[in-house]
Amino acid sequence: GQSLEQPSEVTAVEGAIVQINCTYQTSGFYGLSWYQQHDGGAPTFLSYNALDGLEETGRFSSFLSRSDSYGYLLLQELQMKDSASYFCAGGGSTLGRLYFGRGTQLTVWP
Amino acid sequence: DAMVIQNPRYQVTQFGKPVTLSCSQTLNHNVMYWYQQKSSQAPKLLFHYYDKDFNNEADTPDNFQSRRPNTSFCFLDIRSPGLGDAAMYLCATSRERTGSYEQYFGPGTRLTVT
Repeated sequence: GQSLEQPSEVTAVEGAIVQINCTYQTSGFYGLSWYQQHDGGAPTFLSYNALDGLEETGRFSSFLSRSDSYGYLLLQELQMKDSASYFCAGGGSTLGRLYFGRGTQLTVWP
Repeated sequence: DAMVIQNPRYQVTQFGKPVTLSCSQTLNHNVMYWYQQKSSQAPKLLFHYYDKDFNNEADTPDNFQSRRPNTSFCFLDIRSPGLGDAAMYLCATSRERTGSYEQYFGPGTRLTVT
């Protein structure tokens, strides 16, 4: 089966750093993606890790450890506009399918 | 701008009355997906098309059907909507199956069933 677990919510203040963790169990796993979704909006692709290690894109970084079936999204210099839901998503054994975690609601306070 | 377009943005239908949601894309991507997302839940994959090859998820109810008449358009048909089918329906695309990790989503159609 496909299972991705992440915390349901995280809060932080502007300027802080927050880490959203994701653990997964997917057969034939081939990589971990992260998406951002604002209330009422569509999910937007943030990053993808196919290999172990850290990928950095501006204020956002994503990490993957295949041996631990674990990844995280790191958001630095938080801004109010970062308040959104963040989903980790993993590819399963059949190409073309992406399975999403339940999402982490991030609230950034001034 | 290349994009994924969904119409309508809001759809109200009656219990049991067939409804069709539409999606179009100007990205020229080979793969198109339909997801169902209920409040505070993850998007759930219903099916996807790789070109004209239709791939259904095992747990997608028979009540849900899809058509892809050409590269640009894809339709979601709900034959007999129930109250439990009220949700946001998201269409997405990816360039190839191997690129499914990066999907481009439309704004969604919010379906209400009365």
